[in-house]
Amino acid sequence: KQEVTQIPAALSVPEGENLVLNCSFTDSAIYNLQWFRQDPGKGLTSLLLIQSSQREQTSGRLNASLDKSSGRSTLYIAASQPGDSATYLCAVPGSGNTPLVFGKGTRLSVIA
Amino acid sequence: GAVVSQHPSRVICKSGTSVKIECRSLDFQATTMFWYRQFPKQSLMLMATSNEGSKATYEQGVEKDKFLINHASLTLSTLTVTSAHPEDSSFYICSARFRDNYGYTFGSGTRLTVV
Repeated sequence: KQEVTQIPAALSVPEGENLVLNCSFTDSAIYNLQWFRQDPGKGLTSLLLIQSSQREQTSGRLNASLDKSSGRSTLYIAASQPGDSATYLCAVPGSGNTPLVFGKGTRLSVIA
Repeated sequence: GAVVSQHPSRVICKSGTSVKIECRSLDFQATTMFWYRQFPKQSLMLMATSNEGSKATYEQGVEKDKFLINHASLTLSTLTVTSAHPEDSSFYICSARFRDNYGYTFGSGTRLTVV
């Protein structure tokens, strides 16, 4: 059974810092991995999707890497801003059309 | 991109009444819709998987008679919380995938409060 773990559970940093969020998964037989952002009381916004054949994806100040063999992914946020404050979720799908398995998320607070 | 529209965003209902939540795939056909529930400061928990034209599959511990799921068309899935109680108060969110090997897209969620 796939399990996803995210470290740290919470993180508070001053504005401008670069930071790394970690995600690990137990079953490396995934075909992609997705990072989401969730603001309090809101739905999920997809940030980055990495296919299993890729090692990283970039979108603006965000960079996600994937090491499938070791079951790890990282989300790198450059030059953090207060608007980046949210919960960041890592998720991997099952095979076929099965649902995502989520980590518990990392709650990020960027202090101005 | 693929968009899932979810309504209502917030609903307050009296204990014992029923509430219907709708999720529509706006620019694609969603043969499968996933329904999640999220309690405060917890991660999303899968409740059920709905497939167009067939009965939904519920996760262990989820009462199928209480949480009625209908997926009558390729673009609409509904979740009805029947005889709602305060403990059903939660954030409900749906999700679908545009196509194989594509990421999942989520609705904006529904905050249900039962008083």
